[in-house]
Amino acid sequence: DTGVSQDPRHKITKRGQNVTFRCDPISEHNRLYWYRQTLGQGPEFLTYFQNEAQLEKSRLLSDRFSAERPKGSFSTLEIQRTEQGDSAMYLCASSLLRGDDTIGNTIYFGEGSWLTVV
Amino acid sequence: AQTVTQSQPEMSVQEAETVTLSCTYDTSENNYYLFWYKQPPSRQMILVIRQEAYKQQNATENRFSVNFQKAAKSFSLKISDSQLGDTAMYFCAFMMLSSNTGKLIFGQGTTLQVKP
Repeated sequence: DTGVSQDPRHKITKRGQNVTFRCDPISEHNRLYWYRQTLGQGPEFLTYFQNEAQLEKSRLLSDRFSAERPKGSFSTLEIQRTEQGDSAMYLCASSLLRGDDTIGNTIYFGEGSWLTVV
Repeated sequence: AQTVTQSQPEMSVQEAETVTLSCTYDTSENNYYLFWYKQPPSRQMILVIRQEAYKQQNATENRFSVNFQKAAKSFSLKISDSQLGDTAMYFCAFMMLSSNTGKLIFGQGTTLQVKP
């Protein structure tokens, strides 16, 4: 399967610990997005990359959060000094923007990484 | 700022019947896309249907169709001949074209249960 993959799928951590999630987008997709989804709610945008450049960050992304996409392929989302309010599913998505496209190209989502902070 | 509202937290429908999920949105933009995504339990979100705001014709994908009312800022999803596999959470989403980010703004979701 060559879809968007995320790792780990589930993570339980103690408050104050650091966690890192990895996302492997669909091969050759140049855009990569991170969203956060709490139970029973819709996903909320966190940040996105075009190739290796991080082009937008939401105000939801506090200074404890950092995302990288060093070579324009996979991405990591790190949360430092986790808090109970960080408990959520972190969704990664990717898409391919071609030069002659409108931006309505299909966005593909991964299965998400569930974080529980205890 | 753009907002998307889904006022039906939960819906249920009998297998083979038709159900309509509601969505309203607020924007001052004129060029945008609207989407319905399906998120089955413990599975990834997948695109159901997409509507370009400049198109007057309502989008249709097999058993799924939309009723797009641009002036009213309404975008409902109709599922015909409901199947057990349609059981999922459905999200309405908005994408603004002017920013060229591809960022989606989601509603709160509607949980749909298809009953046998």
